[in-house]
Amino acid sequence: AQKITQTQPGMFVQEKEAVTLDCTYDTSDPSYGLFWYKQPSSGEMIFLIYQGSYDQQNATEGRYSLNFQKARKSANLVISASQLGDSAMYFCAMREGRTGNQFYFGTGTSLTVIP
Amino acid sequence: DAGITQSPRHKVTETGTPVTLRCHQTENHRYMYWYRQDPGHGLRLIHYSYGVKDTDKGEVSDGYSVSRSKTEDFLLTLESATSSQTSVYFCAISDPDRGGEKLFFGSGTQLSVL
Repeated sequence: AQKITQTQPGMFVQEKEAVTLDCTYDTSDPSYGLFWYKQPSSGEMIFLIYQGSYDQQNATEGRYSLNFQKARKSANLVISASQLGDSAMYFCAMREGRTGNQFYFGTGTSLTVIP
Repeated sequence: DAGITQSPRHKVTETGTPVTLRCHQTENHRYMYWYRQDPGHGLRLIHYSYGVKDTDKGEVSDGYSVSRSKTEDFLLTLESATSSQTSVYFCAISDPDRGGEKLFFGSGTQLSVL
């Protein structure tokens, strides 16, 4: 079974609008971390946001927020007020504590911001 | 900047030749990883290391070997490169022992096997 599932290969959003990128995960480990990374066309991997499994509140970092629904095993990324520079690939990832600090990645969502 | 350097940045080689990619870090992080990125597959773990001379396999380790003789260096070797190993290779580091949860990535190596 896939550890991380991203079901949206490509998304479009109008500039200044909000967009939600979906991510579901699969683990039986009670201790885990969830991450989102951005990969622009230049290729580097940029850390955006982190949510721990025991965190009570949803994580936020500027225009990024992580909608963490533990019972549904979902960790959707919400980008508010989209900008042209947000056009990129976005990867959801999970770290399981019991697997030797391995990180598992989804297949990514390509986001295009339309002016 | 997490102080990770990958070399080379680009390499073209022929099928059957050995190839070694190097990852060098200046952060003294315990964990180091090698991932490959392919369209439609995201990033897949090849091998990782949790200390000097301590390594383990990831989900796509066949055809690859690694070595870590010093904290700062993690080498990925393709003993006999095949066209299916054409990919972008990323090195990453983390250190949960010091409260660092996230992965820091290098800039990647584009490898083409002809």
